[in-house]
Amino acid sequence: SQQGEEDPQALSIQEGENATMNCSYKTSINNLQWYRQNSGRGLVHLILIRSNEREKHSGRLRVTLDTSKKSSSLLITASRAADTASYFCATVNSGNTPLVFGKGTRLSVIA
Amino acid sequence: DAGVIQSPRHEVTEMGQEVTLRCKPISGHDYLFWYRQTMMRGLELLIYFNNNVPIDDSGMPEDRFSAKMPNASFSTLKIQPSEPRDSAVYFCASRPGWTNEKLFFGSGTQLSVL
Repeated sequence: SQQGEEDPQALSIQEGENATMNCSYKTSINNLQWYRQNSGRGLVHLILIRSNEREKHSGRLRVTLDTSKKSSSLLITASRAADTASYFCATVNSGNTPLVFGKGTRLSVIA
Repeated sequence: DAGVIQSPRHEVTEMGQEVTLRCKPISGHDYLFWYRQTMMRGLELLIYFNNNVPIDDSGMPEDRFSAKMPNASFSTLKIQPSEPRDSAVYFCASRPGWTNEKLFFGSGTQLSVL
């Protein structure tokens, strides 16, 4: 069963704008991770946030986590055409349990 | 390191044929995962191994699917007989045993069953 559900399913923005994607999950988590998938390629890990953290930054990426609402958001600032990809959230419930992925958000950045 | 290596990149076969997908995980990674990706169902976990031992195969859709990991550097996912509904992208991923913080994916095998 899928734990994370991303919203929106698809997002189209102009280059330079910010892109925000949301993820909701159902059960308590150990950590939440975001991955990017370029067309025809495998997923690439972007950033991880632990259950006791509220916000994390990495370059142009900002991730927030609200465990009370069981939700996370990924913000990409000053988007570029190269950011065009699908973005997935994935949750780890505990210990060594495997990642469970959502269906992703397809982001299109128009130059 | 070359990363997780999957072969073939593309496979086109006819219904009823046997299909074997291959994966070489990153050296030193104790966990290996097989995922299947479709538009309808997203990314589904099929099976995963720890130290070459299958831990959970509850995601394997049917008895037609089987997976093995004969050693730490090689795993196969076999479909016999294949059906058109098996058409999907199959990903292999691996990670070290001491952390559940990052999964490394291969480039996937695009399978088309005609």
